[in-house]
Amino acid sequence: DADVTQTPRNRITKTGKRIMLECSQTKGHDRMYWYRQDPGLGLRLIYYSFDVKDINKGEISDGYSVSRQAQAKFSLSLESAIPNQTALYFCATSDSPDRVPDTQYFGPGTRLTVL
Amino acid sequence: DAKTTQPPSMDCAEGRAANLPCNHSTISGNEYVYWYRQIHSQGPQYIIHGLKNNETNEMASLIITEDRKSSTLILPHATLRDTAVYYCIVRPILGYQKVTFGTGTKLQVIP
Repeated sequence: DADVTQTPRNRITKTGKRIMLECSQTKGHDRMYWYRQDPGLGLRLIYYSFDVKDINKGEISDGYSVSRQAQAKFSLSLESAIPNQTALYFCATSDSPDRVPDTQYFGPGTRLTVL
Repeated sequence: DAKTTQPPSMDCAEGRAANLPCNHSTISGNEYVYWYRQIHSQGPQYIIHGLKNNETNEMASLIITEDRKSSTLILPHATLRDTAVYYCIVRPILGYQKVTFGTGTKLQVIP
């Protein structure tokens, strides 16, 4: 079984709808992240969480919210989807080492299309 | 953060070693070299990382020059499933840093 799973894998929705993307991990990591990837723009960080009680905005958090329900679960919500939120969304996890950068492990992605 | 430069594309024959170069001439002493790859539209996959010593794991080897200004990722026996975009990035030792990819190298493994 995959260490980091995302559901759904593909989603088509309409403008104005509320959408939730879910991420689960079995790696036992404390840190979890949500990124989006757009052609030509690379990965951009939306939100990240270092533990269940810690939520931090990334560089493009407007229009998104998150919930860290448990150590293993981190959900991303689009409150009112708009077409420019059409993208590939990736969840990632990492441990929290003291002396080296954290190694982030990515899920398979969710392809979201907003019509 | 130090920037990296990679060739935009490379070809490699199946079964041969794939050697992917990366320049990071402005790397500082507290930055690690990381390699990820991404097969089309799939999640980025961590490959390997290192500070100054050469590293090897089950996927690849990482050779870092003594001055740390460049490195080479080696896939010892490339397969068709290794066709992907490979990203070389540098990340500081301490503190949180998001993963940011440059343009990477598109490796095409040829039968």
